[in-house]
Amino acid sequence: EPEVTQTPSHQVTQMGQEVILRCVPISNHLYFYWYRQILGQKVEFLVSFYNNEISEKSEIFDDQFSVERPDGSNFTLKIRSTKLEDSAMYFCASRTLAGYTGELFFGEGSRLTVL
Amino acid sequence: TQLLEQSPQFLSIQEGENLTVYCNSSSVFSSLQWYRQEPGEGPVLLVTVVTGGEVKKLKRLTFQFGDARKDSSLHITAAQPGDTGLYLCAGVKGAGKSTFGDGTTLTVKP
Repeated sequence: EPEVTQTPSHQVTQMGQEVILRCVPISNHLYFYWYRQILGQKVEFLVSFYNNEISEKSEIFDDQFSVERPDGSNFTLKIRSTKLEDSAMYFCASRTLAGYTGELFFGEGSRLTVL
Repeated sequence: TQLLEQSPQFLSIQEGENLTVYCNSSSVFSSLQWYRQEPGEGPVLLVTVVTGGEVKKLKRLTFQFGDARKDSSLHITAAQPGDTGLYLCAGVKGAGKSTFGDGTTLTVKP
């Protein structure tokens, strides 16, 4: 069964360092998302990506964050200068169709710990 | 800001009992999805409800979408310890962005 895969599963970094989280969405999916979940809190939308550009982003997704799809398969989230409050589980998700007909498939997440 | 409020936040029951989790919003959504999340894993979709008033059943789980497409409920009959987990509702509108509720942590004791 096709699945969304994410790497690394866990990354520990020092505050101020750059981090890149990688995702391989399901191959025939067209819409890609990053969500994050701080421990014990709700799943929060960060950004959606379609047709090689950002379609929507949240207030959390400030200038320290960027996404790209460099090679048609990987979908990456970069945090340029990590802060302590960036510590969270980051989930990548993808779907085939926009709107209500598209099931959202999540990866298992990348746990980021900023020290 | 679209907010989805789930209640209760925590629920602890004995095996065999029935329960209902609610998901309410002031916004109208194209659809509403229910997910279940295990610790350390990503959310897994249980069901999508689309039409106002729609009822869907998945074994012992019954999902209902409100007539106005603003609220939903999840009812579990004869809960089992395997039902333990975090249940999330998510409303979908716009470019398919899902807005999640805070979640309901369910514990079913044997």
